[in-house]
Amino acid sequence: DGGITQSPKYLFRKEGQNVTLSCEQNLNHDAMYWYRQDPGQGLRLIYYSQIVNDFQKGDIAEGYSVSREKKESFPLTVTSAQKNPTAFYLCASRSAGTSIGELFFGEGSRLTVL
Amino acid sequence: GEDVEQSLFLSVREGDSSVINCTYTDSSSTYLYWYKQEPGAGLQLLTYIFSNMDMKQDQRLTVLLNKKDKHLSLRIADTQTGDSAIYFCAESQYSSASKIIFGSGTRLSIRP
Repeated sequence: DGGITQSPKYLFRKEGQNVTLSCEQNLNHDAMYWYRQDPGQGLRLIYYSQIVNDFQKGDIAEGYSVSREKKESFPLTVTSAQKNPTAFYLCASRSAGTSIGELFFGEGSRLTVL
Repeated sequence: GEDVEQSLFLSVREGDSSVINCTYTDSSSTYLYWYKQEPGAGLQLLTYIFSNMDMKQDQRLTVLLNKKDKHLSLRIADTQTGDSAIYFCAESQYSSASKIIFGSGTRLSIRP
């Protein structure tokens, strides 16, 4: 079945460590997004990519990095520079030719810093 | 900048109607969406409306748009326990817009 797969679902990190969250899609979508979700704050955009080998910062990019070497993959690295990384991270994708702009989301990755 | 606002919580009795409200600030918004998020999961598109429409109905769901007041609402008729979730309002200027602005989400809980 087509969809977006995020892994791991749960991740624990010690302070000072970098961690990488995986996001893979087999929907043949051009654009991919990373959102952070905190209770009562909705979704905030971290990074997005509209095409392979290109990506742009969202509203809260500091302390995060991404790459887009393949159309199917958009991994997010949470670096030690991110001051408050404990959150639920959501990856999404959409087709460039979409008529209504629907985003398709993965199941999310919950990161906890110990 | 653009902003989308929602109340955080709503509690309704099973079988009643639920009405979730949303306001947005961007007058050039063209696409308005309602997404549903079940516990520990990602979001799924529930319904959407174009800015040139006032109302859209889809089975138990009714979306009302007041473009003058920049107010969007989602009505769920005959609310069931399976409707318990967080509902997000979102907007974008056009379908392929890079930025989709989400509200904070409204957590809907159902009382027996």
